[in-house]
Amino acid sequence: NAGVTQTPKFQVLKTGQSMTLQCAQDMNHEYMSWYRQDPGMGLRLIHYSVGAGITDQGEVPNGYNVSRSTTEDFPLRLLSAAPSQTSVYFCASSYQQNQPQHFGDGTRLSIL
Amino acid sequence: GESVGLHLPTLSVQEGDNSIINCAYSNSASDYFIWYKQESGKGPQFIIDIRSNMDKRQGQRVTVLLNKTVKHLSLQIAATQPGDSAVYFCAENRNSGAGSYQLTFGKGTKLSVIP
Repeated sequence: NAGVTQTPKFQVLKTGQSMTLQCAQDMNHEYMSWYRQDPGMGLRLIHYSVGAGITDQGEVPNGYNVSRSTTEDFPLRLLSAAPSQTSVYFCASSYQQNQPQHFGDGTRLSIL
Repeated sequence: GESVGLHLPTLSVQEGDNSIINCAYSNSASDYFIWYKQESGKGPQFIIDIRSNMDKRQGQRVTVLLNKTVKHLSLQIAATQPGDSAVYFCAENRNSGAGSYQLTFGKGTKLSVIP
């Protein structure tokens, strides 16, 4: 049981490039979510999914897309990277929405 | 706007002492609260949670207190150990409508344990 696995752990992009951050969980959790963590700002919700085929926007969705074709995977796509998207990105999952979420160890993304 | 926040950004305690980390929330509709611990280079780790129908919940060396009257949440760590050094976040699970919940985090308190 690996929990929540995020790849890659580190990435450097140039402005305008696109990229997909991967997230997979093996706990059969229905709820999955993406957060970004910036210094002094805590974690902010980007997008979330309550089950396969269902996604919704969080607090800071602009510039990001998600899809949930399977229960296990919840990739986050940056369509055209901008320096403001430099951050640490965390994926999390839980059985249901109103239960404790399990977090991955994050992807550290730098946009030049 | 409504937000979850912490009173103190840093807290230093002597090893063996008890630690108290405070959190204020402003959304009276929130009904579920969680404390997370985050060590350097790692993702947040669940510590303890409490629902709004409770005032207190205890775990192993940790206790969470919820005061709904003043919208205040606290995490108490008994006999603090060096391994407790980390950033602690409180989070509230808000019902954002149509049965949907969103987790909102505070900015965090850095706990440093002095050996």
